[in-house]
Parts: sequence; C-alpha cells; structure tokens
Amino acid sequence: NAGVMQNPRHLVRRRGQEARLRCSPMKGHSHVYWYRQLPEEGLKFMVYLQKENIIDESGMPKERFSAEFPKEGPSILRIQQVVRGDSAAYFCASSPSTRGDTQYFGPGTRLTVL
Amino acid sequence: DQQVKQNSPSLSVQEGRISILNCDYTNSMFDYFLWYKKYPAEGPTFLISISSIKDKNEDGRFTVFLNKSAKHLSLHIVPSQPGDSAVYFCAADAGGTSYGKLTFGQGTILTVHP
Repeated sequence: NAGVMQNPRHLVRRRGQEARLRCSPMKGHSHVYWYRQLPEEGLKFMVYLQKENIIDESGMPKERFSAEFPKEGPSILRIQQVVRGDSAAYFCASSPSTRGDTQYFGPGTRLTVL
Repeated sequence: DQQVKQNSPSLSVQEGRISILNCDYTNSMFDYFLWYKKYPAEGPTFLISISSIKDKNEDGRFTVFLNKSAKHLSLHIVPSQPGDSAVYFCAADAGGTSYGKLTFGQGTILTVHP
C-alpha cells in the first residue's frame, strides 16, 4: 500500500514564476491537508480539502496561493508569482476522515525561489 | 502566537537511557495530541497520540503523558536507541470546527549517542 506521494521532490523557480505542487493521498483517504515548514520552524497548517471541496483555508495566504482536490487526480497546491519568502518545504498529509484519525505525511516538496 | 511550544531545541541522550521530550500548549480547546518523528529530507512519521480524556498512552518503547491542568505533555522513549535520533514534533488538534487542522510545535532535535 503506497504512502502519500508528492512530486516534484525539489522545485526551483525564479521570482515571478508559478509553482505547482502535487499530492496523491494514500489509497482510501479522502481528506488532504497541506502544511508549510519554513527553515528552523515547525509545520504550519495551510489548507484542508476533501474531494472537490475546500473545507478550511484559514492558513493559506489570501493572494497568490490556491489549492484544489479534483474528483480525479492529485491535489494541487498552486503558488503564482513566487517570491523568495515562499521558499520552504511543503508537506501534504492525508487521512481517511478527520477526527481521531492519524494524518500520514508525504515526503514533501522543497521549493527554492531564486 | 505560538499555541504549541517545545522549549528545548535539542536533547542529547546516551543509548539505553530514557529520552524525555516536552511540549506545552496554551489553547484550552486542544483535545487530541500527537507526536511525530522526522528525519532530514523526509516527511513527519506518526509515533503516538493521546486523547484529552486520558493521561497516559503507551506503545512499545514510547509513552506519552498528558497533564491537562498544566497544559503539558511529554514523550518518553525507553530505552533510547541511536535510530531514534531525529526531530520530534508535538502537534495538537482542537476538534470541533477545526476539522483535524494540526498545530505543531517547533520541534526538538534528539541525538542518541551509542
């Protein structure tokens, strides 16, 4: 049973470009969460999605960031017009449901903005 | 506003001895707590969790203690092994409308010496 998959593992973008990060949850998991880890800090919640629905995006910056989890295919975190401050590790987690179920994390995408 | 704090950035322990990692929280709404272990360039791996209706949960070498009145939890690893060397994060879930949104501490780097 494959775990949570994220790609790419490393992504380099120049300022002003777009970054697309993909996450495929574990089989049977319909809940996806995105977290960001800045250097020397813990993980910070960004957004929680179920299939075709954004449930909670309270941790996501209002501008330039968007997320989706379509009926078919992986969840996508999209960052438009990237800036140097977006450089971080972005982790996706999935769970079968919300309360009391463990979130299982993918290996992360390390975004570097030049 | 750091709602979950791990005040020790690092901990060094001899193999075979006990490792105690501490975590404090401020939000009274947190009712579910988790510990994750993270190796460099990998995603966090779930270790153990505890609900606020309990004060202790044990799984093999790992035990988590919860003191609700002090808003404090700790992770005990006995006996410690070199393979336990990693960054340890505590995380908390407020339930209700928080929909499984985890709040993480900054992490503690554990080094177990042979």
